[in-house]
Amino acid sequence: AQKITQTQPGMFVQEKEAVTLDCTYDTSDQSYGLFWYKQPSSGEMIFLIYQGSYDEQNATEGRYSLNFQKARKSANLVISASQLGDSAMYFCAMREDTTSGTYKYIFGTGTRLKVLA
Amino acid sequence: SQTIHQWPATLVQPVGSPLSLECTVEGTSNPNLYWYRQAAGRGLQLLFYSVGIGQISSEVPQNLSASRPQDRQFILSSKKLLLSDSGFYHCAWSVGGGGDTQYFGPGTRLTVL
Repeated sequence: AQKITQTQPGMFVQEKEAVTLDCTYDTSDQSYGLFWYKQPSSGEMIFLIYQGSYDEQNATEGRYSLNFQKARKSANLVISASQLGDSAMYFCAMREDTTSGTYKYIFGTGTRLKVLA
Repeated sequence: SQTIHQWPATLVQPVGSPLSLECTVEGTSNPNLYWYRQAAGRGLQLLFYSVGIGQISSEVPQNLSASRPQDRQFILSSKKLLLSDSGFYHCAWSVGGGGDTQYFGPGTRLTVL
C-alpha cells in the first residue's frame, strides 16, 4: 500500500535561514506525483510545489524547492530564507491512481514549522 | 481563474443533529471533487471523491454521505452527528480526467457538542 511518512512532528528555524522538511514515500507505481501543502492557522491547505516521478529536475517555486531522490524515495521540502509567515503546518502528499480514472491523494501526518525572529 | 467556495466557515452542532456542508467550484468544468476530514492535530483523511454528477466513491462510509447534484457542487451530509465528527472539513478539486494538482477550499470547522 502507498504511504507517506513525515518523521518530524515539529521544527524550529531562525528567520532568514534555510530549513528542510523531510518526506519519504512508499509506492510500487512507476508513475506518481508528490506534493507539498502549507496549512496556516486558518486551516486552509495551500498548494506549494509539485514533483512528477518522471521529472528529472527538482521542482522549484520561489523560495520553495523539492529535493527529489527517487532511489531513496524521498521528497524533502527546502524553504530558503525563512520568514515569520512561514510558520505553519506542512504536509507532504502523494497521488495514486484509482480504477475510476482519477487520482486519490494520501497525506502525511505533517510537520509544524516555527520560524523564530 | 478557478475558485472554490465552502460554507459555512464555522459550525457548532449538537450530537444527533443533521449536517449539510456545501462546496462549489467556479471557473472550471467537470472537475474531480473531494471531501476530507482533519481531526484536531491530525492529518487529512479522504472521505469521498467524485468524477462526475451523481458519481460518488466512498472511502470511509461511517455516518456521512456525499452528493454531487450539479457539475461543480459537492455536498457532505449526515443524518445524525457524532462527537467524533468534529474536525476541519476540506473540499478540494482537481482537473477532470486525471489532472495532477489538488486545490483546496477555505474549509469548514465543525464542532459537535
